[in-house]
Amino acid sequence: AQTVTQSQPEMSVQEAETVTLSCTYDTSESDYYLFWYKQPPSRQMILVIRQEAYKQQNATENRFSVNFQKAAKSFSLKISDSQLGDAAMYFCALPSPEGETSGSRLTFGEGTQLTVNP
Amino acid sequence: GAGVSQSPSNKVTEKGKDVELRCDPISGHTALYWYRQSLGQGLEFLIYFQGNSAPDKSGLPSDRFSAERTGGSVSTLTIQRTQQEDSAVYLCASSGQGKVNQPQHFGDGTRLSIL
Repeated sequence: AQTVTQSQPEMSVQEAETVTLSCTYDTSESDYYLFWYKQPPSRQMILVIRQEAYKQQNATENRFSVNFQKAAKSFSLKISDSQLGDAAMYFCALPSPEGETSGSRLTFGEGTQLTVNP
Repeated sequence: GAGVSQSPSNKVTEKGKDVELRCDPISGHTALYWYRQSLGQGLEFLIYFQGNSAPDKSGLPSDRFSAERTGGSVSTLTIQRTQQEDSAVYLCASSGQGKVNQPQHFGDGTRLSIL
């Protein structure tokens, strides 16, 4: 079974500073995707960034980037120039492998609550 | 619509009552998922629909839970004889065809509270 672990229940950062959220996972697949989702108080899960495992280059989306270490099965999210609107719960997620009956059901980590201080 | 729509936004009901939760996925998306988000349990998969194929119900926690998807579009999740442990946020998501490289798009969820 696939697992995803986020070991930081809460993190805080000062506005304009940089913060890194950690995620480790376990899968027997050699090619897979990983996602970071953001969940603000509105409850809607919003995709932040995704990484394909066979790509060596770390994904980047504006102020958001990942540090993907395949051998270590680590997938951390770095938020640069943090803004008040970044405050939310962040989830790391791993989809089921292709061909399973549950499509690409996501296995989520426990989440990290990020607070941004003005 | 532009995104995944769920209704009601909030539902409060008494223990033992039946509830129906609705999800309207993004137009054209054939894959639809239901997840449950509860305190202390995190996010857990409930059920998956792909087009007109038989759903994968492997995540449903008990036979009190059922779901259907009419015409390959709107889905309803039904909980019969609700219990207090059913209190949670129920999230619906859709994606193009359920492929691993296709991100799931989520609705705002239904917060269910069982008194």
